[in-house]
Formats: sequence, structure tokens, C-alpha cells
Amino acid sequence: DAMVIQNPRYQVTQFGKPVTLSCSQTLNHNVMYWYQQKSSQAPKLLFHYYDKDFNNEADTPDNFQSRRPNTSFCFLDIRSPGLGDAAMYLCATSRGRNEQYFGPGTRLTVT
Amino acid sequence: AQTVTQSQPEMSVQEAETVTLSCTYDTSESDYYLFWYKQPPSRQMILVIRQEAYKQQNATENRFSVNFQKAAKSFSLKISDSQLGDAAMYFCAYRTGNQFYFGTGTSLTVIP
Repeated sequence: DAMVIQNPRYQVTQFGKPVTLSCSQTLNHNVMYWYQQKSSQAPKLLFHYYDKDFNNEADTPDNFQSRRPNTSFCFLDIRSPGLGDAAMYLCATSRGRNEQYFGPGTRLTVT
Repeated sequence: AQTVTQSQPEMSVQEAETVTLSCTYDTSESDYYLFWYKQPPSRQMILVIRQEAYKQQNATENRFSVNFQKAAKSFSLKISDSQLGDAAMYFCAYRTGNQFYFGTGTSLTVIP
């Protein structure tokens, strides 16, 4: 089945230690998104790629970076995680203006 | 700025009954899309229903239907014949271009 896959599902990192979360999709969608979702809150868009074009939200901290080496894969890099970065990170894809398809998320714990 | 407001943080419904979740949004755009997403506890977010702003007819998907009032910028979700599996966080979302905006969510409890 076509889907959005996120690895790992759970990630523990130390304060200040760089961490990378990955997302892959078999839907061949041209748009990929990264969201941060804290407990009982709405997902907050960090950035998205429209094809190869990177679009950063104005309030996304510089600590967060992203790479999209090809259509199928997208990575979220957190250069120096702080305690406040502990959250669920959701990857989503869409084709054009259609609805988003979400991955299962990666729960990040910062110790 | 586009905003999405869900004024009901929590709702409950008796199994087999009907419940309506409210959502309002603010936009100056004329071309946009509205969605309801469901996020069960510790599970993946999935699409429940979508509505194109240019369509006057309210979208329906089996037991799920919307009441889209464009002039009032209102987009409520009605769940009929509620089932235990409907228990989840429901998010209203608005899309224009490639920008998505989510509401803060409504936690729905289904009482057996």
C-alpha cells in the first residue's frame, strides 16, 4: 500500500546532540511537510517542500533544518535539541491542492 | 492572517447518537479548502472529510457530514450514529495554496 513512513517511531537524544528524523513516501506526492506537535496541541508547520523548493515558516527556529534529496525522502535535522523540542514530529505529503497524508510520527524525547 | 478556531476543547456523545463539532476560520482568500482530520490516541492522523470552498454542496462521507457556511466562515462536522471507534482528537484544517492551518482540536469521547 502507498504510504508515508517515518523512522524511527521513537527517538531519544541528549540535550544539544544533533538528531535526524526521516520520512519517506511511496505516494509520489510533490509536496512534503514537517510538523511539530506537542501534547494536546495542534500540529505546527515547520516547513514544506514544493518539489525541490524549500519553504520555511517564519517562526521556525534556525535550529531546525530540512533536506529533500529526492521526491521520496525528506529529513528533519535538529542541530542542537533543547528540552523544549521534545514533541511528536509529523511528516505529511500532498499532491497539489489535495489533502495531506500523514505518517505515524516520530516521538522525540530530549534528556 | 488565516486562523482556525475550534471552540470546543472536549465533547462527548452517547454511542449511536449524533454529535456536531464546530469550527470557524478567518480568511480573505476566495479559493481554499477545508478538512476535518481525526487523530486517535497514539495513532496516525487521517482525513475524515474535505470541502472545497467553491462548492456550495456540503460534503458527506458515510456517517460524517459537514455544514459549510461560507459567508459565516463556519465549517462544522456532524457525526451520526457515533461509534466507539470515533473517539479521537478531531482537527479542523484550512488550506490555501500549500499553506495548511490547523485548529487546536476537539477531543471526542464516545460513551458506551
